[in-house]
Amino acid sequence: NAGVMQNPRHLVRRRGQEARLRCSPVKGHSHVYWYRQLPEEGLKFMVYLQKENIIDESGMPKERFSAEFPKEGPSILRIQQVVRGDSAAYFCASSPSQGGRETQYFGPGTRLLVL
Amino acid sequence: TQLLEQSPQFLSIQEGENLTVYCNSSSVFSSLQWYRQEPGEGPVLLVTVVTGGEVKKLKRLTFQFGDARKDSSLHITAAQPGDTGLYLCAGARGGGSNYKLTFGKGTLLTVNP
Repeated sequence: NAGVMQNPRHLVRRRGQEARLRCSPVKGHSHVYWYRQLPEEGLKFMVYLQKENIIDESGMPKERFSAEFPKEGPSILRIQQVVRGDSAAYFCASSPSQGGRETQYFGPGTRLLVL
Repeated sequence: TQLLEQSPQFLSIQEGENLTVYCNSSSVFSSLQWYRQEPGEGPVLLVTVVTGGEVKKLKRLTFQFGDARKDSSLHITAAQPGDTGLYLCAGARGGGSNYKLTFGKGTLLTVNP
């Protein structure tokens, strides 16, 4: 049983470049969540997606960040024109149905470093 | 504003000792979850508590949800070096957004052999 997979595990970008983070949920899970963990901070909710739909993006910065979960393929978190403040660990989680009481299974994360 | 406060922030103990870590809030949660996170990895769920006053045991770990569903504690008996890690609590607020977990900053536990 494959758990949530994220790649790359580590990503280094220079200021102004684009970062693409990928998340493959647990097989059969149709709900994906992205969280960000800044240094010295707890995980913060960013966005909740179902296949082809963004359900809640209230935690996502209004500019430069976008997320998708296409019908086929992994979920993508895209950060355009990265800045140093974007350096963080980005975690993806998935659940078979809506989370909350339904367990969210977390991936190993992508550590983004912006130089 | 940090909705979930975890204490202590750091804890270093010797193998065999007992310990308790706390997760406190002024807000009510419909459920509360405890995770353990190892360096370089994602959080792994330990337990979910949903009922006020609920106590759950997982081997040497005992989890309690406060009667008012605003706080929780994790007690570890006879800690072992394998218990070392970052312990996170996370709450779900209920209603239509119960998927949106609010995390504390965690307690970093080190158990020395």
